[in-house]
Amino acid sequence: KNQVEQSPQSLIILEGKNCTLQCNYTVSPFSNLRWYKQDTGRGPVSLTIMTFSENTKSNGRYTATLDADTKQSSLHITASQLSDSASYICVVSDRDNNDMRFGAGTRLTVKP
Amino acid sequence: DGGITQSPKYLFRKEGQNVTLSCEQNLNHDAMYWYRQDPGQGLRLIYYSQIVNDFQKGDIAEGYSVSREKKESFPLTVTSAQKNPTAFYLCASSRVSTGMGEQYFGPGTRLTVT
Repeated sequence: KNQVEQSPQSLIILEGKNCTLQCNYTVSPFSNLRWYKQDTGRGPVSLTIMTFSENTKSNGRYTATLDADTKQSSLHITASQLSDSASYICVVSDRDNNDMRFGAGTRLTVKP
Repeated sequence: DGGITQSPKYLFRKEGQNVTLSCEQNLNHDAMYWYRQDPGQGLRLIYYSQIVNDFQKGDIAEGYSVSREKKESFPLTVTSAQKNPTAFYLCASSRVSTGMGEQYFGPGTRLTVT
């Protein structure tokens, strides 16, 4: 069973709209959580990283939140652009084993 | 793609043939990784290397082999023993091998075996 679950699996929104992607995890003990953006046919690129003590972090129009108590994270995209069309991957690291567990990703399509 | 190159971008092979995927980094990173990505699944770790001449199996190492003779290079061989080799393969590197080390990914190689 995957220790990192993302929802929705795919999402279509109109350009200029906001959206929120979800990540739930069971990885324990928790070390950090990252959100990556992966364009089709390319490697993932890091957007944000959050440790246990951080509950929000922004990178331009991307804002990630973390609730370590409920083991949930979200990625909010504001004023979406066509270039935001990509897969967004949540990655959670295990503090003891240094393992990184990858979610299956959310495929976002932004339409004009 | 953070100074990591993978070649070729697309690779086609016949079933039963071994094939080697290239991964080179100029970031002076100690750790390097190989992942496999299949539709609807998260990235799965094949092998990783923390230092030159040393590497460890990941979650799905069967049917794969690696070498780390140089810090900059971490080639992956997909052998004929790999039951379902068609996939998108991603190489990554990080300054440190712990979970705090941010991984930088290459552009990937799409392997198709028929």
